[in-house]
Order: sequence, then C-alpha cells, then structure tokens
Amino acid sequence: DSGVTQTPKHLITATGQRVTLRCSPRSGDLSVYWYQQSLDQGLQFLIQYYNGEERAKGNILERFSAQQFPDLHSELNLSSLELGDSALYFCASSVSGQPNQPQHFGDGTRLSIL
Amino acid sequence: QQPVQSPQAVILREGEDAVINCSSSKALYSVHWYRQKHGEAPVFLMILLKGGEQKGHEKISASFNEKKQQSSLYLTASQLSYSGTYFCGTVVDSGAGSYQLTFGKGTKLSVIP
Repeated sequence: DSGVTQTPKHLITATGQRVTLRCSPRSGDLSVYWYQQSLDQGLQFLIQYYNGEERAKGNILERFSAQQFPDLHSELNLSSLELGDSALYFCASSVSGQPNQPQHFGDGTRLSIL
Repeated sequence: QQPVQSPQAVILREGEDAVINCSSSKALYSVHWYRQKHGEAPVFLMILLKGGEQKGHEKISASFNEKKQQSSLYLTASQLSYSGTYFCGTVVDSGAGSYQLTFGKGTKLSVIP
C-alpha cells in the first residue's frame, strides 16, 4: 500500500461526457502528479501540482484540467470524452516535488469510454 | 524526450541474471526505476542522480553513466516475484526549475520456474 488513494477504481461512461477523478496523496506529501497509461502510449505525464500551485505540465489535452485543493487532495477533470481517452489514470505523490525524490503511485482509476 | 529501454522483453529462469538498459539523448538530472505488475500501480525501486553513483536494493542494483546518459538495472539470482514490467523514468537537467518524469516504454520481464 503506497498510501496514495484514488477514487473511483473503475469508471464507465459514454463519449461526450465529463468525469472527475480524485486523488489523496500520502500523508506529508505536498506534490501530486497525474499520469495516463494506455497500451500504445505507456505512462504519460500529464500535470504536477505542489502545495496547490501548478508546477509542471506535460502532454495534457485542453479538454483535461486539474487542481490541488488546500487539503492537498487533487482532482483531474476530463471533459468531452472520446474513445481514445480510455486508459488507466494514475496519481502519484512525493514530498516536495524535487527530482531526487521518489514518486509513490496510487492504484489508479480505470476509465472506459463506450 | 522519451528514454529508450532495451530489451523490450526478456524471459529468465529462476536464479538467472538480467540487465535492463535505459538511455537518453539529453543530459539527465536523475533516473528513476519502477516495477509494475499487471493491473497494479508502478512501485518505486530506486533513484540515481547525476554523478555516476550505483545503488543497490537487495538483489536489484542500478548504475548511472552520466557521460553516456545511460542507466542499467541489474537483477541477480532472479525470483518469480521479479516478474513484471520495468520502467525507467528520466528527469532532464533543464535548469528551468520544473521537473518532468518521462518514462520509457518498459521492459517486460518474465521469470519462469
């Protein structure tokens, strides 16, 4: 158990819909990362937050947005969903977001678009 | 830029050794290694920082050659529990203050009895 909690574990929805994925970091960790994992693309970095502020942005689509709240939990919002958005979405956390620190991953949310 | 991992897949018998390589075309600040079992979360193994250090974790160790921007993961006397996909993640030394971990496509390791 990494200490990172993601909900829900599974999500099935239709094209065009909007969903929200939630992540609670490990106790004491201030930085949160979101990744998308699909079969053909591997683990793709989406976005990083540190103590409520956006720190780094990766290959995140404009239809996707995220935020980190004062209690440090984070939400990833996916809108106008397309079939290609079906993937495993992981949240990870680290102490302060520095590159010499490990990232600890949650169990992921499996998103299926029908 | 995505690091390149090799081999893509390897099958070992219990007790055999394996080496997984990870290379980048850019100057790296750090290399992270993770193992992921099917349907589970990636699990952190170790981090190597620029400076060419070598780290060990029981029978799994790694090195980082800063001149070549290459890292290698060494698995010795493999056990069935080592099976999974190994990912290297690299952080480019951009000096820009933001750090993005970019993962390779992974190496699928299967250990058989």
